This record gives sequence, C-alpha cells and structure tokens, in this order.
Amino acid sequence: QSALTQPASVSGSPGQSITFSCTGTSSDVGGYKYVSWYQQHPGKAPKLILYDVTKRSSGVSHRFSGSKSGNTASLTISGLQPEDEADYYCSSYTNTSTLGVFGTGTKVTVL
Amino acid sequence: DVQLVETGGGSVQPGESLRLSCAVSGFTVSFSYVTWVRQAPGKGLEWVSLIYSDGSPHYADSVKGRFTVSRDNSKNTLYLQMLSLRAEDTAVYYCARFLPTFYGMDVWGQGTKVTVSS
Repeated sequence: QSALTQPASVSGSPGQSITFSCTGTSSDVGGYKYVSWYQQHPGKAPKLILYDVTKRSSGVSHRFSGSKSGNTASLTISGLQPEDEADYYCSSYTNTSTLGVFGTGTKVTVL
Repeated sequence: DVQLVETGGGSVQPGESLRLSCAVSGFTVSFSYVTWVRQAPGKGLEWVSLIYSDGSPHYADSVKGRFTVSRDNSKNTLYLQMLSLRAEDTAVYYCARFLPTFYGMDVWGQGTKVTVSS
C-alpha cells in the first residue's frame, strides 16, 4: 500500500493561514469519509486533531479545519501560532488493505 | 483517563527477537481495537498491525510472518512479538487505541524505541 502524498514542508508567519494537501486515490481518500489528521511535535507521540475529514478532536482549536475534494484532503491552520510548528500526518481507510494508510508527512514551520 | 504505556524496547542484533508490551488503562482491550504504529528515525508513520476486538490480528506486508500481536485480557495488556528482526525494523513503536467508527487512533502511548544493529 503506497503512502498518501503530502508536501514535505509548508511555512507561514504568525497569524497567517496555511493549507496543505493529502493526496490519495479513489481506493482511499477519494472513496471514503475516513480521513484523519495527526499533529506530532518533535520527540512526542502523534496527537489526533481531525477525523472524518472535518471533525475536530476534543480540545482541538477551531483554528484547525479540514476539507476534501476528489482524491485530495486538506488541512487548514488559521491564525498560525508558534506552537503549531510540528509535523502533520494524514491517514485514511483504504479498501486495498486491512490496515489504514498514512501520508508522507508535512513539516510546518512558523517563521 | 485513557492511557497506553509501551515497554520492552531495546537494542538487538539482526535476526534476534523482542517482545513489546502495551499496558492499557481506562478502557478494556477485549472490547477494543488497538494498533501498533512505528516511526523509523527521521521518517514518517507506518502502520504495523491492528488487533480487532474479536482478537483477529492484521499486519502490514513488511512484518507479516515475523511479527505477532496478541493480548492478555486479564492484564489488559497487548503484546507485539517481533522475530527475525532486521535493520529496517529500527523505529519507535507506538500503540494506540483504534476507533473503527472513524478508522483512526484517538489515544497514543509515548512509544518505545527498538534498535536493530550489528
């Protein structure tokens, strides 16, 4: 199972909004609502931030939002803050495996 | 509070074995799905295995035949038995509660590091 494709890095200044993508196929992202996003700070475990494409996990800031069009899901971070600097991974259900599939990961840098 | 704690990581030589444990509190493993995910140094997340609530195990192709996931309901603990370890198995291994309702992981352990090197 090939990993979902994410841009390697994205950057923005504090207060700006950034959006980055997670591209799969009709067998995973495009075919189902089961797209999740995880935030991972250096040396820490991943943390669930979004699930079912658009739903925020408990306690997650409203600055994080998700969307999907075709085979591509996107994560938007509004009002970028220094603590948003982290790696972000998407994941999806796939009908080609009994396990899910992760994205390649995007490193977000706050300038 | 829901908590998962991994133990058992360490340094081994290629071909050796290791067993990781994932001690769970706050939910019952026999009624739940739990997954193992690993992250090689400087790399992304990789799904390793998933055990369903009915106990059926599922594995990534990269570990099939070498890794076995099991659980001890009396200890509310899961295990990942890893045989014939290879250098490419070097990673931090996380266990996490998997929710089939959205096909993702809502709570993760802190991870345990496995190094396979001669």
